[in-house]
Amino acid sequence: QSALTQPASVSGSPGQSITVSCTGTSSDVGGYNYVSWYQQHPGKAPKLMIYDVSNRPSGVSNRFSGSKSGNTASLTISGLQAEDEAHYYCCSYTSNSTLVVFGGGTKLTVL
Amino acid sequence: QVQLVESGGGLVKPGGSLRLSCAASGFTFSDYYMTWIRQAPGKGLEWVSYISASGATSYHADSVKGRFTISRDNAKNSLYLQMNSLRAEDTAVYYCAGEPKSIAVAFDIWGQGTMVTVSS
Repeated sequence: QSALTQPASVSGSPGQSITVSCTGTSSDVGGYNYVSWYQQHPGKAPKLMIYDVSNRPSGVSNRFSGSKSGNTASLTISGLQAEDEAHYYCCSYTSNSTLVVFGGGTKLTVL
Repeated sequence: QVQLVESGGGLVKPGGSLRLSCAASGFTFSDYYMTWIRQAPGKGLEWVSYISASGATSYHADSVKGRFTISRDNAKNSLYLQMNSLRAEDTAVYYCAGEPKSIAVAFDIWGQGTMVTVSS
């Protein structure tokens, strides 16, 4: 069982918006603004999409945005495109001995 | 270009050892914290080990503590993971990933991964 809880799957039609949630505790998501999100296509390495809760690295589309409320972080993808279909993982610093925890991952299907 | 290339994976028997390597190029390796992250077949990402930019500080997941050791050689732009007492549950693709010192828990450089299979 992963330390951070994500829905197993979400779906949306092209052009729509979707949100992926990531729920932790006050020891990780709720306690620090060190939440990042990764996109992973099949057979590929993950790619950083969001860091520090809501910052986008250079080159990442502004259709991707992040936010946090309490112990839950969220990734929103607007204007869904076919190439957004992938797995998405949240990640957070934790004050526990593990240092870093990942969510179980969410499969996004673009209908 | 910015690149991480892992090597050293393979098939090993339970109880055996492997040493993974990760060669960095195209960026200032000594400016990056480095991490090993693994992904079991069909499963999610699991953080394994972290090492500071200087190599002075390291952390390991509870699942590998006492069995795995992370190290780096900044002169050779290389990261390593010594894996001992391997178990079937260590079977996974192992990625090395880098995070710049300026931001935390943001792995912005990834290797392509190397597969480790632990089986008799």
